Amino acid sequence: DAGVTQSPTHLIKTRGQQVTLRCSPISGHKSVSWYQQVLGQGPQFIFQYYEKEERGRGNFPDRFSARQFPNYSSELNVNALLLGDSALYLCASSLGPRQETQYFGPGTRLLVL
Amino acid sequence: QKEVEQNSGPLSVPEGAIASLNCTYSDRGSQSFFWYRQYSGKSPELIMFIYSNGDKEDGRFTAQLNKASQYVSLLIRDSQPSDSATYLCAVPTGTASKLTFGTGTRLQVTL
Repeated sequence: DAGVTQSPTHLIKTRGQQVTLRCSPISGHKSVSWYQQVLGQGPQFIFQYYEKEERGRGNFPDRFSARQFPNYSSELNVNALLLGDSALYLCASSLGPRQETQYFGPGTRLLVL
Repeated sequence: QKEVEQNSGPLSVPEGAIASLNCTYSDRGSQSFFWYRQYSGKSPELIMFIYSNGDKEDGRFTAQLNKASQYVSLLIRDSQPSDSATYLCAVPTGTASKLTFGTGTRLQVTL
């Protein structure tokens, strides 16, 4: 029974570049949320998607965008990377748009040089 | 005041002892509370959730909720070295799918 999967596991980029991170939720889960976790802090909410629609957005700049596909997988895109974007990016899946119990994937560790 | 507050630790307990981790929250309307465990370099793993005042037990873990005082705690009985990790308290805020996390408490279980 596969859990949440994310790719890639690690990524190194330089300032100004763009990055796309991918997530597949648990089978049967239709909601995907994205979080950013910097060292020493708890995860910070970026987006929630359900049925291909954005249902929530955190306090992140417009350089961050996401989308969800008909199979409920999701992509997070970050443009014009800054050094401060270096973090662990986590995808969490839940059953529905108001299902609070969220299960995290292994994360993508992004390093911006 | 932060929405969810935790003592960052480290909290050091000897093997076999009870570890007590605390979390306070600011929104009196919060209805549910989650505890995640995060090993160094790994992603958060859900270990407990609680909705009602009182205690909820699951194996060696007990979550305690006091809505009047706006705190939730996690007790780990018979602590093991494998329990050494950061424990994150999370509360849904705004839309139900948005979790607001504390900074986490680092637990060290010593031999």
